[in-house]
This record gives sequence, structure tokens and C-alpha cells, in this order.
Amino acid sequence: EVRLLESGGGLVQPGGSLRLSCSASGFTFNSYTLSWVRQAPGKGPEWIAAVITGSGGSTFYAESVRGRFTISRDNSKDTLYLQMTGMTAADTAVYYCAKHSREFWYPDTFDFWGQGTMVTVSS
Amino acid sequence: EIVLTQSPGTLSLSPGERATLSCRASQSVTSSYLAWYQQKPGQAPRLLIYGASSRATGIPDRFSGGGSGTDFTLTISRLEPEDFAVYYCQQYGRSPATFGQGTKVEI
Repeated sequence: EVRLLESGGGLVQPGGSLRLSCSASGFTFNSYTLSWVRQAPGKGPEWIAAVITGSGGSTFYAESVRGRFTISRDNSKDTLYLQMTGMTAADTAVYYCAKHSREFWYPDTFDFWGQGTMVTVSS
Repeated sequence: EIVLTQSPGTLSLSPGERATLSCRASQSVTSSYLAWYQQKPGQAPRLLIYGASSRATGIPDRFSGGGSGTDFTLTISRLEPEDFAVYYCQQYGRSPATFGQGTKVEI
């Protein structure tokens, strides 16, 4: 059974930093592209970052987070990360890690999602 | 980036009725790389349809997708109580992948 479990969310002040983690199990972690997708309250999902397979895999970012957020993966720990810096109120959302449906594919559909972790940016 | 516009915003129907949801893209979606997701309160989205018309694993055949180019539809042939939720379309033919703003199907 595929499982994705996010952690690290919480309250952060404007301009602050936060690191999210996503622990994965139930599939061949290093074969699949993984993404972070966020959803602001009452809004549709927004894809924000993806990392291709491999420890030095290529990364892709949405314009809204490029230069502030960094996605990475540790294939030895089956864990995905999102380092967030320079945060603003617009970053307030539920953050999901999501597995791409096809091996080695980007962009793609997301066939499995974590339960999400809430990030609130407020003073 | 490709902007997806969903209509209507809310669809008020009864169990057993047919639901037709629309998703229009600002430019042609490559290779019909259009997906649909269902989301219930407090849950992550669930993949229903990919490639515009292929059902994901375990999705009942009352869900069907169609369309090409810039116009796509999701049809639920006979609404079951568990189908009342928010539905999102997503294009993944061109980076960045983008989502529509959603259609809420309510009783």
C-alpha cells in the first residue's frame, strides 16, 4: 500500500523559514517523480515543485515559489523535503506531497497524495 | 501557463441524477493530458480520470470523461450520495501543471 506522510507544518512569521518532510512507503521511491502541491483555504490545488528521480534529480518550480523554496529528496531514506524561505501570507495553505503516476515522468497526474500538513504564515 | 476554467461553480442535484461538469483550457491541451480529481472535505484530492477519458484504478464506471483540445467534460451518470464533493480538472501536457478552480456538486 502506497503511503505518503507529511510533517513539519505549523505557524511561521512573515519572512520566516520552514522545512517540510514527506516519508514514503509502498512503492519504489527512486523510480518516481515527486511533487509538492499546495491548497490555500477555499481554493483549488496549486502545483509548486517537482523533483525527478535520482539523488541529483532535476527540479522544477512554479513561478510563485521559485528562488524561495527548494525541493529535494533522499532516496536512502525514502523521504521528500521542501525547504521554504522568505515566506509570506500568500504561502498559507495545506501542503501535500504527491506521487506522479508514471515512472520518470514530468509533468504528470498525481495518483497518490499524503494527508497534507497545514502551514500558516502570520505575525 | 495554461489556465483552466471550470463551470459551473456549483451544481445542485439529487442522488440518481446526471452531472455534467465542464473544464475549458486557455490553449490546447497537449495529447489530451487532462485529468479530473474528486475532493471531499478534509481529504486530499483523488485521481478519477486521466488522459481525458481513462478511469483511474478503482473508479466506478459511472464516472466518464471526454473532450479534446480546449474543451473537456466529466460526467457522473447517476449520482450516488458519496459523489457529492468538489471536482477539479488538471492539465499535465505542459509545465507547469495547472488546476481549475473547482466545481462543487451539492445536494
